[in-house]
Amino acid sequence: AQTVTQSQPEMSVQEAETVTLSCTYDTSENNYYLFWYKQPPSRQMILVIRQEAYKQQNATENRFSVNFQKAAKSFSLKISDSQLGDTAMYFCAFMNKRGGGGSNYKLTFGKGTLLTVNP
Amino acid sequence: DVKVTQSSRYLVKRTGEKVFLECVQDMDHENMFWYRQDPGLGLRLIYFSYDVKMKEKGDIPEGYSVSREKKERFSLILESASTNQTSMYLCASAPGGLAYEQYFGPGTRLTVT
Repeated sequence: AQTVTQSQPEMSVQEAETVTLSCTYDTSENNYYLFWYKQPPSRQMILVIRQEAYKQQNATENRFSVNFQKAAKSFSLKISDSQLGDTAMYFCAFMNKRGGGGSNYKLTFGKGTLLTVNP
Repeated sequence: DVKVTQSSRYLVKRTGEKVFLECVQDMDHENMFWYRQDPGLGLRLIYFSYDVKMKEKGDIPEGYSVSREKKERFSLILESASTNQTSMYLCASAPGGLAYEQYFGPGTRLTVT
């Protein structure tokens, strides 16, 4: 079974600064996806960034980037130039890349990190 | 834009009541999911469906059942609500194939008294 661990329940950062959220995972699979989801207060969960395990290049989406270390099973999220709108709960998640439907589409989530951006 | 809607944002029910939580998506997605979100526990998968009338248990199916009679609608049923089912319930949908793009609804905060 896969597990996802986010060791930082809460973090804070000053506006315009950079912050890194940590995530580690455990799996015996070789092909999989990793995700960071954002859940703003009282708003819907949205996908921030996705990484495919076979791709060595780290994924980037505007101010959001990841540091994917496959051997170490580490998948951290870096937010540059933090904005007040980045205040949210952030979840790291894992999915096997088996295809074929059914339980292969299961997302396993970490417990989340509550990020507060201070003005 | 993909839209996933849930029938209620807030719901209060009494212990022993039968509770229906409804989820509707408008993007013709094959896959739909029900998660439960609790503080300090993250999201846990209750059930998912990969086609009409098809369902599979997730990690915590006990006390829940589901129904998917139409492709766009996925219902979560609490046959006899209990106080330990007080939680935030999130529905998600995803296209067929590799369903790595899950789109979430706004959630239903259920309180069982």
